[in-house]
Order: sequence, then C-alpha cells, then structure tokens
Amino acid sequence: DQQVKQNSPSLSVQEGRISILNCDYTNSMFDYFLWYKKYPAEGPTFLISISSIKDKNEDGRFTVFLNKSAKHLSLHIVPSQPGDSAVYFCAATLTGTASKLTFGTGTRLQVTL
Amino acid sequence: NAGVTQTPKFQVLKTGQSMTLQCAQDMNHEYMSWYRQDPGMGLRLIHYSVGAGITDQGEVPNGYNVSRSTTEDFPLRLLSAAPSQTSVYFCASREDGYSGNTIYFGEGSWLTVV
Repeated sequence: DQQVKQNSPSLSVQEGRISILNCDYTNSMFDYFLWYKKYPAEGPTFLISISSIKDKNEDGRFTVFLNKSAKHLSLHIVPSQPGDSAVYFCAATLTGTASKLTFGTGTRLQVTL
Repeated sequence: NAGVTQTPKFQVLKTGQSMTLQCAQDMNHEYMSWYRQDPGMGLRLIHYSVGAGITDQGEVPNGYNVSRSTTEDFPLRLLSAAPSQTSVYFCASREDGYSGNTIYFGEGSWLTVV
C-alpha cells in the first residue's frame, strides 16, 4: 500500500527549461510535504517543503504546488541546470508523528545540455 | 561540522551473522531514525527515537533492534542477517517533532547479505 506515489521513474529535460516532478498521495491526513534531492552515494538532502495550509511555496528556482483536493503535489524547477540531475523524492508526514516520513519511490531527473 | 555520521559505509555479511550500523549526530537533535532504501521502494522507516531512552517501531522493523542510550548515538542492530536485508541504510536526525524542522540524513551504509 504505497501512500505516496511518484509515477514517473525518470524525466529528461533540457538545460534552461522547466522540470516538473509530480507526486500523488492517498492519505488525506498528511499535513506536511517535503521534497528531497539525492545524488548517487550520498544521503538525501532537503530541498523544499509545504504545509497543507498553503498551496504554493517558492524558494529560488524551486516551487512546490499543493492541490489538496486532488491529493497531488508538484515540484517545478526553473530554469533547470545540469547540477539538478539527481533523484528527487517527495515525502509526507503528519504533525506530531516525529520522524515518520513516508517517501515516494523517487524520480530520476536528468538535465541535458 | 560533521552532521550525521554513519559507519561503516560498506559491509558484506553472511546469512545469520549479526552486526551493528552506527549512527552519530553532533547537532543535539532529539529525534533520530533509520530508513532503508530498496530499488523501486523509496525510503522506508525501520525504527525511530524521540529522545534518549525512547524508541519505537516504524514501517519495517522486523529483524532489527535499536537503542538510544545517549542523545548523540542511535545504533541499528541486525540480529541474524538475511539476504532480504541487503539494502542501503540511512540514519536521520531532526531537532524535534516540529514538521518544519529539516531532517538531516547521513551518507548511507551499503549492506550486502550473502
């Protein structure tokens, strides 16, 4: 029972274009969502997050959108850069559940020149 | 400026052997946790701790033990290794339970059970 799903295992985007990574969730109790970036042989690093009381959060080139009615969130990277090539995980949690993140399966982004 | 440190980085075990993956953080974080990453599965929570002396089970706890005798350390023990425990293990810590606080991950421990 995968509560957080990333249905696209991979995505290829040209440098300078927009990258859109999608994530769907099934548990309507989730109230906080995060995106992590992971390079090979390294641990995940935090990228951006959004609370369920918002529908958009922006940090530089990265914007996360949340559509609660559709149980869908997306990460937009504009403009995409070669250094953005990595695996991106979305994760969800419930307030008060400590470190219990539920992760999606990841999307491998490749930014080409 | 170490953050979350995991050792060993690579380990090969024989079926039935036991071992301990070490995790230490120097940020005085209360919350620590262990995840495993398997192909096509994302990261799954094994065990977590909300403070010294307090541990609880995550999504996939079977075959693993943890203890939290100090704030800094959160070792993960494999009692009798099985090939199904071949995975990449990540330790993580965060300051407290506030969702807005960043979770920091270690670099991972690659474990192969033959």
